[in-house]
Amino acid sequence: GENVGLHLPTLSVQEGDNSIINCAYSNSASDYFIWYKQESGKGPQFIIDIRSNMDKRQGQRVTVLLNKTVKHLSLQIAATQPGDSAVYFCAETHASGGSYIPTFGRGTSLIVHP
Amino acid sequence: NAGVTQTPKFRVLKTGQSMTLLCAQDMNHEYMYWYRQDPGMGLRLIHYSVGEGTTAKGEVPDGYNVSRLKKQNFLLGLESAAPSQTSVYFCASSSEDRAPGNTIYFGEGSWLTVV
Repeated sequence: GENVGLHLPTLSVQEGDNSIINCAYSNSASDYFIWYKQESGKGPQFIIDIRSNMDKRQGQRVTVLLNKTVKHLSLQIAATQPGDSAVYFCAETHASGGSYIPTFGRGTSLIVHP
Repeated sequence: NAGVTQTPKFRVLKTGQSMTLLCAQDMNHEYMYWYRQDPGMGLRLIHYSVGEGTTAKGEVPDGYNVSRLKKQNFLLGLESAAPSQTSVYFCASSSEDRAPGNTIYFGEGSWLTVV
């Protein structure tokens, strides 16, 4: 989702629920997408990625869905756990002058209540 | 298994002072990046490098300089620090290939305060 001001979008869920975190992108040339998890005081960590020629990719407890028609990406976390509490960023890359430099969204804060 | 290492982790500077942040990666990656992260904001690219001896400007390059003299190191310099440069700085690296799984690896961050 998009940020307004300094406040991150926040998603609060109960432990055991499924979580869906959304991301919109604007560049129709984007061809590779990545989700990162950032815990407090740490650097972002890779979760899952997807190429633009796919619409779904699954990992362990996580699924990424890509809808190129509306330029929308989502991250689904199954059976959310307290350890999943973090800020989640989506990133996209596209060719620019022969390089592929990622652009990050502003992030969504996920809070998991025990 | 070090990955991406940043030094220093914390630093307080006075306005006008200079300093250099050092990033080292041991994964033989071609691409290296410097990002800054401010409260409520995502990661904004300062400068990047696509190989030894090359550098390029990112989204917010003003007030910063970089050098990539060795493939494994990427230095970020602040020549005359300003309070607006108070931020958390992240270094990252990636391989040249964008195949799924060849993604960006981040350091743990450097907290810089300019007073």
